[in-house]
Amino acid sequence: TQLLEQSPQFLSIQEGENLTVYCNSSSVFSSLQWYRQEPGEGPVLLVTVVTGGEVKKLKRLTFQFGDARKDSSLHITAAQPGDTGLYLCAGYTNAGKSTFGDGTTLTVKP
Amino acid sequence: GAVVSQHPSRVICKSGTSVKIECRSLDFQATTMFWYRQFPKQSLMLMATSNEGSKATYEQGVEKDKFLINHASLTLSTLTVTSAHPEDSSFYICSARDLYASGTQYFGPGTRLLVL
Repeated sequence: TQLLEQSPQFLSIQEGENLTVYCNSSSVFSSLQWYRQEPGEGPVLLVTVVTGGEVKKLKRLTFQFGDARKDSSLHITAAQPGDTGLYLCAGYTNAGKSTFGDGTTLTVKP
Repeated sequence: GAVVSQHPSRVICKSGTSVKIECRSLDFQATTMFWYRQFPKQSLMLMATSNEGSKATYEQGVEKDKFLINHASLTLSTLTVTSAHPEDSSFYICSARDLYASGTQYFGPGTRLLVL
């Protein structure tokens, strides 16, 4: 069974602060996705990373895939209240399996 | 990006009735779709994997006779909650996998089910 440990589980910060969310596994993934979910809605894809060491930027969000493709991080710069939500990572293997982290609930206070 | 629709978005039904939820991939073909259940402030709980043209694969503890899944085409999967009970009230979310997008799953907007 593949596990994807996501941390922290909860994060409450002030507007303007920076934060990083981590997803770690002992398994190698062929790709990894990050999603954001708001209450009452389905998760929305933020990014897919595929190559070990890959870094992708989406405005104030920076995503990194570990060199060994076992871990990933999401860094948010100057967080805004609109960033509030549940962040999920998901690893996909060539065997056709997807494993989800338990999620990080982020609250950004104005 | 890929779009997945889910219908209805919200349903209220009486205990003992059945409810069908549809999940459609609108701009790509999905050989595999997934059904999740989500409790408040928790992550997604995979219920079953739906493969086009074959029987769904259910996760441990999920009753296949209660949660009927049909993946009739490459763009449509349905989940039927049979003989619904109040404890089945939850947020149900489907997703569709795009193999041409590195296996990325795209999620529907979810269905809020309330069983009275």
